[in-house]
Amino acid sequence: AQTVTQSQPEMSVQEAETVTLSCTYDTSENNYYLFWYKQPPSRQMILVIRQEAYKQQNATENRFSVNFQKAAKSFSLKISDSQLGDTAMYFCAFMKQNQGAQKLVFGQGTRLTINP
Amino acid sequence: KAGVTQTPRYLIKTRGQQVTLSCSPISGHRSVSWYQQTPGQGLQFLFEYFSETQRNKGNFPGRFSGRQFSNSRSEMNVSTLELGDSALYLCASRGGQGTDTQYFGPGTRLTVL
Repeated sequence: AQTVTQSQPEMSVQEAETVTLSCTYDTSENNYYLFWYKQPPSRQMILVIRQEAYKQQNATENRFSVNFQKAAKSFSLKISDSQLGDTAMYFCAFMKQNQGAQKLVFGQGTRLTINP
Repeated sequence: KAGVTQTPRYLIKTRGQQVTLSCSPISGHRSVSWYQQTPGQGLQFLFEYFSETQRNKGNFPGRFSGRQFSNSRSEMNVSTLELGDSALYLCASRGGQGTDTQYFGPGTRLTVL
């Protein structure tokens, strides 16, 4: 079974700073996807970024980028120029690459607070 | 496109009752998954439906069931509610086979008294 671990329960940074959230996972699969979702106080789960395991290039989405280390089974999220609206719970998630049934396996989350 | 919608947004029930939650996926999406979120257990997968068939089920008791209709809308039912069923229930949709990204609805907050 796959497991996802987020070792930082809470983090707090000042606005405009850069912050990195850590995530490690355990799997015997070779083909899979990794995701970061954010959940603001509204509780809506929002996709931040996705990464296919077969791609060596790290995914980026505007201020958000990942550092994907497949051999180390590490998938960290970097937020540059952090904004107050980035305050949220951030969840790292794993999904096997499968033409059939799929499910997300989530980490416990990191509560990120951006201070003015 | 409109996003995933869930109804109702909030629900209060008492122990022993049953409840039905509804989820309408993004237009064109054929797969619907359900997740339970609690402070203690985090986010846990309940089940996935694709083209009206349950394709995957998490480790939950038989009191938790679901179904999907021909228009891809899905319902989740919990019978004989227990206090521990209090949670945020999230629904997510994706395009179907070969597509990997799940998009979430706003959730239904269920409180069992």
